[in-house]
Amino acid sequence: NAGVTQTPKFRVLKTGQSMTLLCAQDMNHEYMYWYRQDPGMGLRLIHYSVGEGTTAKGEVPDGYNVSRLKKQNFLLGLESAAPSQTSVYFCASMGGGAGTSNTEAFFGQGTRLTVV
Amino acid sequence: SQQGEEDPQALSIQEGENATMNCSYKTSINNLQWYRQNSGRGLVHLILIRSNEREKHSGRLRVTLDTSKKSSSLLITASRAADTASYFCATDARGANSKLTFGKGITLSVRP
Repeated sequence: NAGVTQTPKFRVLKTGQSMTLLCAQDMNHEYMYWYRQDPGMGLRLIHYSVGEGTTAKGEVPDGYNVSRLKKQNFLLGLESAAPSQTSVYFCASMGGGAGTSNTEAFFGQGTRLTVV
Repeated sequence: SQQGEEDPQALSIQEGENATMNCSYKTSINNLQWYRQNSGRGLVHLILIRSNEREKHSGRLRVTLDTSKKSSSLLITASRAADTASYFCATDARGANSKLTFGKGITLSVRP
């Protein structure tokens, strides 16, 4: 049982380049989340998904896109990277859904992204 | 804006003392959770308290929830140096489709 796996763990991008971060979970969770963590800012929600085929904007969605084509995967895309997107990105998944109570969230180990 | 706000921002105590951390939030919630993050690592779940619960215990952890004041506290008893970490509260707001948002966190240092 791997839990939540993020790839890659580290990446350096040049301004204007694009990339996709992959998050995979094997717990059959309905809910998945992408956060960024910057010093002194805590975790800020970028986008989230409440089920396969759904996505929703979080607190800081600009400059990012997401897709949830399969229940177990949640992809975060940067179309044209900017230095302001230098951050540590965390993915999480959480159980719950119609008729059930939400459970704890499980986190990946993070992706450290630097945009130069 | 972020839903939860923890205080204090930083806390330094001696090993063996108790650590109390507070979280306030803005809108009605389904659940409130506390997480811990060691430096450079992902977050690890500590405890979840539902909106209809007032107090919950797990080992050395005690969490309280006051929905009338929109606040929660996390108490770590008999702290250890290994408790040194950042602690975050997280809420999923009622009617918000399980949008899970975090505060800025509290940095706890436990001196041996």
